[in-house]
Amino acid sequence: EADIYQTPRYLVIGTGKKITLECSQTMGHDKMYWYQQDPGMELHLIHYSYGVNSTEKGDLSSESTVSRIRTEHFPLTLESARPSHTSQYLCASRSGGRTDTQYFGPGTRLTVL
Amino acid sequence: GQQVMQIPQYQHVQEGEDFTTYCNSSTTLSNIQWYKQRPGGHPVFLIQLVKSGEVKKQKRLTFQFGEAKKNSSLHITATQTTDVGTYFCAGDQGDYKLSFGAGTTVTVRA
Repeated sequence: EADIYQTPRYLVIGTGKKITLECSQTMGHDKMYWYQQDPGMELHLIHYSYGVNSTEKGDLSSESTVSRIRTEHFPLTLESARPSHTSQYLCASRSGGRTDTQYFGPGTRLTVL
Repeated sequence: GQQVMQIPQYQHVQEGEDFTTYCNSSTTLSNIQWYKQRPGGHPVFLIQLVKSGEVKKQKRLTFQFGEAKKNSSLHITATQTTDVGTYFCAGDQGDYKLSFGAGTTVTVRA
């Protein structure tokens, strides 16, 4: 199993709060990703990064933002949480080569009341 | 953009039977990866296929990559209750972004 960590694992928060979901990996991977997944549904890419100081928006529009100041750390921030943000957020990482595999963290289950 | 279609969406299997899930891409892929997600869990990497026509086996699981590198399949023989979960294929066009299929959710009748 890969060394990729996410905190918190579960978060219940009120509308309007600012939240940051943490993701870190100890494998030295350049490429990191954030996906959003509703229960029983497919994964949607919302942000990705190919290295330090590199961030891009994914295929699914999201009100969240990300930063990549260190290789191992890729936090996701919601400035003002809304009930529509309730979902599971999965972080993943992958090393540079095209044939390298992608590993997922355990996910953060976010509920916004 | 790239689209990856996966069928069937649901697969209800009698324990001991075989089944297959299929994955089709609208574009040629650099490689395809398969993941398994247990209920309440996160996707866990199963395998990666890179070469045209490649076939790989993991115990009761057989993975194939099509000759044109646009389709793939996962065949499970003698299904067990431990096979319960959702199986996702994910296609890579070579831009380091995986496009995931909608998944096949497998339930097993004992």
